[in-house]
Amino acid sequence: EGQVVESGGGLVQPGRSLRLSCAASGFTFGDHAMYWIRQAPGKGLEWVSGISWNSGSIGYADSVKGRFTISRDNAKNSLYLQMNSLRIEDTALYYCAKGGTDYGDYTFKSWGQGTLVTVSS
Amino acid sequence: DIQMTQSPSSLSASVGDRVTITCRASQSISFFLNWYQQRPGKAPKLLIYAASSLQSGVPSRFSGSGSGTDFTLTISSLQPEDFATYFCQHTYSRRFGPGTKLEI
Repeated sequence: EGQVVESGGGLVQPGRSLRLSCAASGFTFGDHAMYWIRQAPGKGLEWVSGISWNSGSIGYADSVKGRFTISRDNAKNSLYLQMNSLRIEDTALYYCAKGGTDYGDYTFKSWGQGTLVTVSS
Repeated sequence: DIQMTQSPSSLSASVGDRVTITCRASQSISFFLNWYQQRPGKAPKLLIYAASSLQSGVPSRFSGSGSGTDFTLTISSLQPEDFATYFCQHTYSRRFGPGTKLEI
């Protein structure tokens, strides 16, 4: 199944930016779609963004469209999420998740432990 | 938009019990339904995909069934490590259900 490890979270003021990273190991990263999913404290799960194996297909939740940008570097086995214009409601634990080879199949096969983003003044 | 609901929202049970959790979609989603388990303070884990297929490494006491709009997750004999929150998810809309918290 492999492993993914998120990093880059922290405390940030509203309107500022943050970049999350996800380092993958133990599987052929370049073969798989990858996703970001978040969970606000005490709340449920919300899909944030996804990217196909070759970056040819990318999608965003309406709540982050225009503010967040997903990218990947297959040579570095890494996934990224650039978060701009952060809002208080973006406060959450952000999970990186491995998908299948088909971008359209949003089955999240394995997850990292998450990185916490807190947006507060 | 397809909406996912789960019942019950919480459930008290004991070790050894048989437990069933229900997930309902607002319109037919065929068999495109996954189940995840989230233990306290941990990341979610895929249990069941395509409504009834057991993910590799998941104990056989977990099973899933259903198609169309109504789905169930059954745990045949609860173990202490099964006390967790369970989420269903429609594969193609990416939408998750609100979760069912299984407590002792």
